Amino acid sequence: EAGVAQSPRYKIIEKRQSVAFWCNPISGHATLYWYQQILGQGPKLLIQFQNNGVVDDSQLPKDRFSAERLKGVDSTLKIQPAKLEDSAVYLCASSLAGGPRETQYFGPGTRLLVL
Amino acid sequence: GIQVEQSPPDLILQEGANSTLRCNFSDSVNNLQWFHQNPWGQLINLFYIPSGTKQNGRLSATTVATERYSLLYISSSQTTDSGVYFCAVAVGGSGYSTLTFGKGTMLLVSP
Repeated sequence: EAGVAQSPRYKIIEKRQSVAFWCNPISGHATLYWYQQILGQGPKLLIQFQNNGVVDDSQLPKDRFSAERLKGVDSTLKIQPAKLEDSAVYLCASSLAGGPRETQYFGPGTRLLVL
Repeated sequence: GIQVEQSPPDLILQEGANSTLRCNFSDSVNNLQWFHQNPWGQLINLFYIPSGTKQNGRLSATTVATERYSLLYISSSQTTDSGVYFCAVAVGGSGYSTLTFGKGTMLLVSP
């Protein structure tokens, strides 16, 4: 069974530029998560989708971050415009149905450096 | 929101040594997971353990839900065990809930 796929693996941009990340969850998983992991910290949830609907986006900086999950499968996370403090690893995860007792499976992450 | 504290923050071991990592949490949880983040950044599930004890090879975990802590044991450590170990918890009943991660324990196993 294929795992969670993410691209690109690395991205370097200048501040005020825009960037987009892509995630393909495990086949059949209804729930998709985007996390931000700043160096030295644990991952922090940005947004959670159930199929193509948003369940939780309370920690998403909506003035610059946006995410969508069209057709309930792949998802993209966009930052526009980027700030220096957005430098982090962006992790995508998926789970079968999003229940509180489920295991989440993580992709390899996208490392973003904003100069 | 729920607070998750992990200790120690850093740990250096010689290959073959045993170690215990601790995770304290501030509220009742219905989901607790231990993850290993390898040096390449990949997060791997180790255990789903909101209560009780589980073992998988050289790793085992125990969660005492009533006292709000979980322990991860690593026996006969190997250099491949190096990385960051995270504890993550979720609260809530039915429906959706969010995993909250601790800051992790960074483990370095030297040959």
